[in-house]
Amino acid sequence: SYELTQPPSVSVSPGQTASITCSGDKLGDKYAFWYHQKPGQSPVLVIYEDIKRPSGIPERFSGSNSGNTATLTISGTQAMDEADYYCQAWDSSTVVFGGGTKLTVL
Amino acid sequence: EVQLVESGGGLVQPGGSLRLSCAASGFTFSSYWMSWVRQAPGKGLEWVANIKQDGSEKYYVDSVKGRFTISRDNAKNSLYLQMNSLRAEDTAVYYCARSHWGGPSYYYMDVWGKGTTVTVSS
Repeated sequence: SYELTQPPSVSVSPGQTASITCSGDKLGDKYAFWYHQKPGQSPVLVIYEDIKRPSGIPERFSGSNSGNTATLTISGTQAMDEADYYCQAWDSSTVVFGGGTKLTVL
Repeated sequence: EVQLVESGGGLVQPGGSLRLSCAASGFTFSSYWMSWVRQAPGKGLEWVANIKQDGSEKYYVDSVKGRFTISRDNAKNSLYLQMNSLRAEDTAVYYCARSHWGGPSYYYMDVWGKGTTVTVSS
């Protein structure tokens, strides 16, 4: 079965750029999606089809996907961006999530 | 306002059954694939099942095949998850999510409910 691997945690200082990676076999041949989830809340879609932002998602969120790695980049990270981030792909009629990355803004 | 509201969660003994419901509003329910995604306490997201607009296609994660059944009633704008032979490892918050299917290219969830909690314990 297809697997997506994320680092368990990433730390960033306020105002700096945070990068969260998601690795999977030939992931660049698929679309990658990203969600964030704050404690006690439901997941929220922040990037779809590798690079697109849903309405209401700040421009500081961007995505890329090539080779075996998709990356979510948060420019000018704010304290409100502290959350768990999950990547997701679609493989063989199965939804696959990465294990999640806890982003700490300190 | 686009909204999904789950219900039906609760405490159930191992081997028991539960039926989750998800009421959709604010969008044309019959035009969308729908999904159930769960999250065990302190764990990550796990897709459980999804269903095509007309109910003609359904997919499940291996761990629930033969035990869970996803269904929908477009006339009632409702999604369901019938869960039988429940196990302790099914304990989780279950989210209903509006979904987008792009053939073999993509599938993703853009609107999520607040979830309903299922606890399987004796």
